[in-house]
Amino acid sequence: AQSVTQLDSQVPVFEEAPVELRCNYSSSVSVYLFWYVQYPNQGLQLLLKYLSGSTLVKGINGFEAEFNKSQTSFHLRKPSVHISDTAEYFCAVSEDGNKLVFGAGTILRVKS
Amino acid sequence: NAGVTQTPKFRVLKTGQSMTLLCAQDMNHEYMYWYRQDPGMGLRLIHYSVGEGTTAKGEVPDGYNVSRLKKQNFLLGLESAAPSQTSVYFCASRDPQGPQHFGDGTRLSIL
Repeated sequence: AQSVTQLDSQVPVFEEAPVELRCNYSSSVSVYLFWYVQYPNQGLQLLLKYLSGSTLVKGINGFEAEFNKSQTSFHLRKPSVHISDTAEYFCAVSEDGNKLVFGAGTILRVKS
Repeated sequence: NAGVTQTPKFRVLKTGQSMTLLCAQDMNHEYMYWYRQDPGMGLRLIHYSVGEGTTAKGEVPDGYNVSRLKKQNFLLGLESAAPSQTSVYFCASRDPQGPQHFGDGTRLSIL
């Protein structure tokens, strides 16, 4: 069975600093990987996805993620964060492209 | 273009009451999903549908029923609400080649 572990429940960071949100997954087959962002009292928005091909995936709002098959990881990075990036971020995996399994989420708190 | 719309946005129920949550999408998507979100647990799939008239169980289906009588609507029912079903419920839809699009959620409290 597939599962997702987000290694940090909260990540505090100062504005304009770089950030990395960590995600590890387990699966016995090839997977599709996703990062979603949730702002307060809203639904989830897709940041980026890995389906196949290049292991470095670029998404919206300056975020990118790198798929590492040997380490079963899909960490999310941004070189310089803004106050507006404060939100909860979810990593998700799918084996069949249909059903998603989500991690528990990482709250990113950007401080001025 | 509204995307995915969930009705109602908030609801308080008493234990044992029943209710139906409505999800409507205007993107002509084939697939629709119901999730629940609980603190520290991310989103968990309750039921999903891959087309009009079809439904399937997800990870946590017990205590819930669903129906997809029209392509654009996906209903989630609680026949006899329990406090353990207090949660935020999200609906999502997608076409076969695209990502899931989420609604803004329904906050349900069961006393």
